[in-house]
Amino acid sequence: NAGVMQNPRHLVRRRGQEARLRCSPMKGHSHVYWYRQLPEEGLKFMVYLQKENIIDESGMPKERFSAEFPKEGPSILRIQQVVRGDSAAYFCASSFRDREYEQYFGPGTRLTVT
Amino acid sequence: AQSVAQPEDQVNVAEGNPLTVKCTYSVSGNPYLFWYVQYPNRGLQFLLKYITGDNLVKGSYGFEAEFNKSQTSFHLKKPSALVSDSALYFCAVKGSARQLTFGSGTQLTVLP
Repeated sequence: NAGVMQNPRHLVRRRGQEARLRCSPMKGHSHVYWYRQLPEEGLKFMVYLQKENIIDESGMPKERFSAEFPKEGPSILRIQQVVRGDSAAYFCASSFRDREYEQYFGPGTRLTVT
Repeated sequence: AQSVAQPEDQVNVAEGNPLTVKCTYSVSGNPYLFWYVQYPNRGLQFLLKYITGDNLVKGSYGFEAEFNKSQTSFHLKKPSALVSDSALYFCAVKGSARQLTFGSGTQLTVLP
């Protein structure tokens, strides 16, 4: 009974490169959430998706960041032209459609931009 | 808008003593309240949640939390702290919004 899976666990990118973070939700979960944790801070909501649809992206930076959750495969958080300030831990959570209050978190991807 | 405040960045307690980590919240509608723990370079581990029902919620590893509607608080407690409880603790709330809103975290250090 696998939980939420994220890969890679650690990702190092040089400034200007692209970062792709993947999240596979728990079995049966149709909704995915992405949160970002900057150093010494709490988690901040970024985006909420269901299959093939973005429900709420109010926490996403307007530029360089995008997210998708295709019909098949994992959810992807994509950061283009990374900058040092993007260095953070990115956590994915998933839930059943009608149980948004019960989110299960993955282990996170730690992005380091050099 | 929903928000969470964890007024203490750091809490130190001696092993064997009771511990309390404070959390207050603000939401529209009925709150769903959560506590998570994070060990260094690890993900979030769920400790407990309040959805409805008894104000005293029991969770993992001997932790409990008390929902106080009048004070809009959800403090985390444990009767007897262990050194292994030392970690970063996050309170989170969900109101009418779909996402969770997290506090800034409280670093708990249990001294042997």
